[in-house]
Amino acid sequence: EAGVVQSPRYKIIEKKQPVAFWCNPISGHNTLYWYLQNLGQGPELLIRYENEEAVDDSQLPKDRFSAERLKGVDSTLKIQPAELGDSAVYLCASSPGGLNTGELFFGEGSRLTVL
Amino acid sequence: KQEVTQIPAALSVPEGENLVLNCSFTDSAIYNLQWFRQDPGKGLTSLLLIQSSQREQTSGRLNASLDKSSGRSTLYIAASQPGDSATYLCAVDQGGSEKLVFGKGTKLTVNP
Repeated sequence: EAGVVQSPRYKIIEKKQPVAFWCNPISGHNTLYWYLQNLGQGPELLIRYENEEAVDDSQLPKDRFSAERLKGVDSTLKIQPAELGDSAVYLCASSPGGLNTGELFFGEGSRLTVL
Repeated sequence: KQEVTQIPAALSVPEGENLVLNCSFTDSAIYNLQWFRQDPGKGLTSLLLIQSSQREQTSGRLNASLDKSSGRSTLYIAASQPGDSATYLCAVDQGGSEKLVFGKGTKLTVNP
């Protein structure tokens, strides 16, 4: 069974440019998370989806970040315009039943470098 | 605001040694605590989940304990191997919020 798939794995852009990351969760997983991981830090939650509904986006900087999960499967995270401080790894994770199951699966991440 | 601290930040041990990684959290009202492993350039892999009502969980050579009242958890690795080299992160689920708060991790190096 395929794991959580993210693309692109690496992206280098100039500041003020837009960028988008894509995530395909494990089949059947209703819950999808986007996390931000800065170098040397633990991940921080950006947004959580239950099916197609964003149930927690309180930590998503909505002035420049947006996300969608059409049809409750794949998800896209967009940054427009990117700033130097957005350089980080963006991790997608999915779960069949939420955190309490211990079944939380992460993708390998998309590493963004903003020049 | 929940804060999770992991000590030490880095640890280097010879192969075969037993070791303990520490995690502390400031707010004891947690729903559960998880330990993850992260290899360089990779995502996180869940190792152990301890519910707030539990004291410990074991998986193979790994044993995690939880003392909620004192805000502490430890991850014990027995008979360490070079393949155990990775960063280990501790995370707490604050009151069932479905929002994990992570520590910065402990980078473990096991030398052959």
